[in-house]
Amino acid sequence: DIQMTQSPSTLSASVGDRVTITCRASQSISGWLAWYQQKPGKAPKLLIYKASSLESGVPSRFSDSGSGTEFTLTISSLQPDDFATYYCQQYNSYPWTFGQGTKVEIK
Amino acid sequence: QVQLQESGPGLVKPSGTLSLTCSVSGDSSSSSYWTWIRQTPGKGLEWIGYVYHRGITNYNPSLKSRVTISIDTSKNQFSLNLSSVTAADTAVYYCARGGCDKNTCYNGWFDSWGQGTLVTVSS
Repeated sequence: DIQMTQSPSTLSASVGDRVTITCRASQSISGWLAWYQQKPGKAPKLLIYKASSLESGVPSRFSDSGSGTEFTLTISSLQPDDFATYYCQQYNSYPWTFGQGTKVEIK
Repeated sequence: QVQLQESGPGLVKPSGTLSLTCSVSGDSSSSSYWTWIRQTPGKGLEWIGYVYHRGITNYNPSLKSRVTISIDTSKNQFSLNLSSVTAADTAVYYCARGGCDKNTCYNGWFDSWGQGTLVTVSS
């Protein structure tokens, strides 16, 4: 299985901060990566898929970059609604696997 | 807009079979990949498998010997059966749809999720 490792596990930030989350794959996944946001008690919500395609309705302050084994999710200016846990997910090789999550909390 | 809703028992006895159903509204397409994913505090999010139309399936090898995912297109539902459960199968179970982009659906990312249902394995 491809292991997905996110860093940091927890991130403390303030409204307006630029936030970057890293996701590393144990082997190359080309660009086959998705990002999700999850709030407590809710299902994950798709943010980005298929080589930086922003899901409909997701604010443009979310973006991603990378290919191969290293990827980043960037929130250009953190908003109050963005405090949540973020997950990456690879869909290059079965079984699909997720990162362990990065919790973005209020500083 | 696609909506998914899980249903089924919240408590299953050890060695029993976990059975969940996902009801789908807003998508009667036969080209979607219907997926089950579970989440535990310890292992995080785990892809269980999917069913495609005509009953084509693919499962996580770690669960393959115990999992069956099936579809009932007449009811717009798909189901998960997980046999020989243990406490390690205690999790929030989500049903989800494989992402669709420009009227084509793929098996990769997940663009619609149910709210999730907690299943506890305990005697």
